[in-house]
Amino acid sequence: NAGVTQTPKFQVLKTGQSMTLQCAQDMNHEYMSWYRQDPGMGLRLIHYSVGAGITDQGEVPNGYNVSRSTTEDFPLRLLSAAPSQTSVYFCASSPRRGGRKYAYEQYFGPGTRLTVT
Amino acid sequence: GQNIDQPTEMTATEGAIVQINCTYQTSGFNGLFWYQQHAGEAPTFLSYNVLDGLEEKGRFSSFLSRSKGYSYLLLKELQMKDSASYLCAVRGEYGNKLVFGAGTILRVKS
Repeated sequence: NAGVTQTPKFQVLKTGQSMTLQCAQDMNHEYMSWYRQDPGMGLRLIHYSVGAGITDQGEVPNGYNVSRSTTEDFPLRLLSAAPSQTSVYFCASSPRRGGRKYAYEQYFGPGTRLTVT
Repeated sequence: GQNIDQPTEMTATEGAIVQINCTYQTSGFNGLFWYQQHAGEAPTFLSYNVLDGLEEKGRFSSFLSRSKGYSYLLLKELQMKDSASYLCAVRGEYGNKLVFGAGTILRVKS
């Protein structure tokens, strides 16, 4: 298993450009999510999905779109990049939507380091 | 609202024991996670607590008190490779959404 993969690893954009960050997992996980990590602020949830065809907003969704057409893929689209979106982006997946007895911990991809100038 | 607090930084000596605290106030609770994150890398899962008490896994232990909204991660026999950021995260009552604290940077010195 490759686990959770993300592309690209690094990206530089100009203000106003759009792009898609790719995320894929080969573990047949139902739950996938996108986080951004900024210094001193921890990981913040952007969007998440509980299964193919179902997505919802997290804590900081503005400026980002997602879709989930397959179980494996969960791309994140930046509609019009802004310097405030300079961050490290992590995709994560987990096998269940949650449960009291089992951890169903999230597995993280290696991250995409995005700079918007 | 959701609020998770951890110390920003800690320093400890190789071979010692260190305790990293986490306090939380969340709208629901369905488990608390600890993740380790080395600089420039992805977070990796360390431990999970959903009931009160201590969970031990090798050199790492995690404790939870739901009534106090409090958890700690205990690292024994510290090694240089334990230098990393340690993230506390709470899963709410529904679904698998995690709310993360800002993380504690642990520096292990020789």
